[in-house]
Amino acid sequence: RKEVEQDPGPFNVPEGATVAFNCTYSNSASQSFFWYRQDCRKEPKLLMSVYSSGNEDGRFTAQLNRASQYISLLIRDSKLSDSATYLCVVNMRPGTASKLTFGTGTRLQVTL
Amino acid sequence: NAGVMQNPRHLVRRRGQEARLRCSPMKGHSHVYWYRQLPEEGLKFMVYLQKENIIDESGMPKERFSAEFPKEGPSILRIQQVVRGDSAAYFCASQLDRGNGYTFGSGTRLTVV
Repeated sequence: RKEVEQDPGPFNVPEGATVAFNCTYSNSASQSFFWYRQDCRKEPKLLMSVYSSGNEDGRFTAQLNRASQYISLLIRDSKLSDSATYLCVVNMRPGTASKLTFGTGTRLQVTL
Repeated sequence: NAGVMQNPRHLVRRRGQEARLRCSPMKGHSHVYWYRQLPEEGLKFMVYLQKENIIDESGMPKERFSAEFPKEGPSILRIQQVVRGDSAAYFCASQLDRGNGYTFGSGTRLTVV
């Protein structure tokens, strides 16, 4: 089983649609969770941290379910500029090392 | 406040040559990470360094690869005797404190011909 697993997509949605991505992680001791966005041939950029109580940033909502070991990202009112690959990221071994483990990403294509 | 600076952006090397990739973290960040991304694949952890110390190199191949983060100057990822399979994007990231997300540099795209 992969440490961080995502559906690779692509998700093709029209502008204005709501789209949700899920991600599962293998290590129940993981403590820090993030969503990153990566545009083609660019560096990953932090989209948002994911907190236990769930959190929202504009059109983006992140949820964490520790019991089921999954994280979700909801994008409302999709824009063309949301087209990118969304990376689920987990700190698998908190403590002395702070290595983040990246999923392979879910590709989103928003169309007119 | 400049972001994470990596250079060069693109690097072409012939098989057997050495590649040196440089990374200057964000001001005030003392944690540096190197990741590799092969075409159409996810980012794979290579090494985690703090000033003058390698903290975790579990993702770095045992041979030909080395990394350092000296007291003065940028972090260096060094690949000796490059092979075609080393062709990838190498991203450096820095972090202010453990538990925070990373800030990535724009990467170095290494092509081995």
